[in-house]
Amino acid sequence: DTGVSQDPRHKITKRGQNVTFRCDPISEHNRLYWYRQTLGQGPEFLTYFQNEAQLEKSRLLSDRFSAERPKGSFSTLEIQRTEQGDSAMYLCASSLGSAEAFFGQGTRLTVV
Amino acid sequence: DQQVKQNSPSLSVQEGRISILNCDYTNSMFDYFLWYKKYPAEGPTFLISISSIKDKNEDGRFTVFLNKSAKHLSLHIVPSQPGDSAVYFCAASAEAGNMLTFGGGTRLMVKP
Repeated sequence: DTGVSQDPRHKITKRGQNVTFRCDPISEHNRLYWYRQTLGQGPEFLTYFQNEAQLEKSRLLSDRFSAERPKGSFSTLEIQRTEQGDSAMYLCASSLGSAEAFFGQGTRLTVV
Repeated sequence: DQQVKQNSPSLSVQEGRISILNCDYTNSMFDYFLWYKKYPAEGPTFLISISSIKDKNEDGRFTVFLNKSAKHLSLHIVPSQPGDSAVYFCAASAEAGNMLTFGGGTRLMVKP
């Protein structure tokens, strides 16, 4: 399978714990994006990378959130001190330059 | 401030007929528009895109129309098939490859 891969698919965590998600983009894609989607809403942009450089961050990305893309390949999104409001689907997408973005299947986070 | 709006939360059509999904935007900086389809528990799947220099783009059963003066785009699906039943999101960006701003989605149900 050569699509965007996200791991884990589901994560249940207790409030206050830290969680980390991983995204493996399509191999030749230089851009990688993170979005968050809550029930009944469209995806909301969080951040994006061109190669290893983080080019833009949304105001939604509080200081509890951090994303990395070492070596311009896979990316991780970490949420520290999770809150119930962080419960959502976290989507990763990748694109080759200015072409359309392809999404992974997402990681569903439930904070209890 | 919702910059991309899909005012119809749901649409029901008969198999074989045309489905028309609408989207309005407010940001005149948006230059590139896309439609994605989403099934439950999966990430969005890219369908079709259009840049602001065009007013129509066609791909098989899917056609996207862009009316820049009205800041309106629509997706036509002809003929509609039961497998088209999904949530459809329109998205916009100021430049192809940049962050996407999504609408809230329209749930399409195609009845056999």
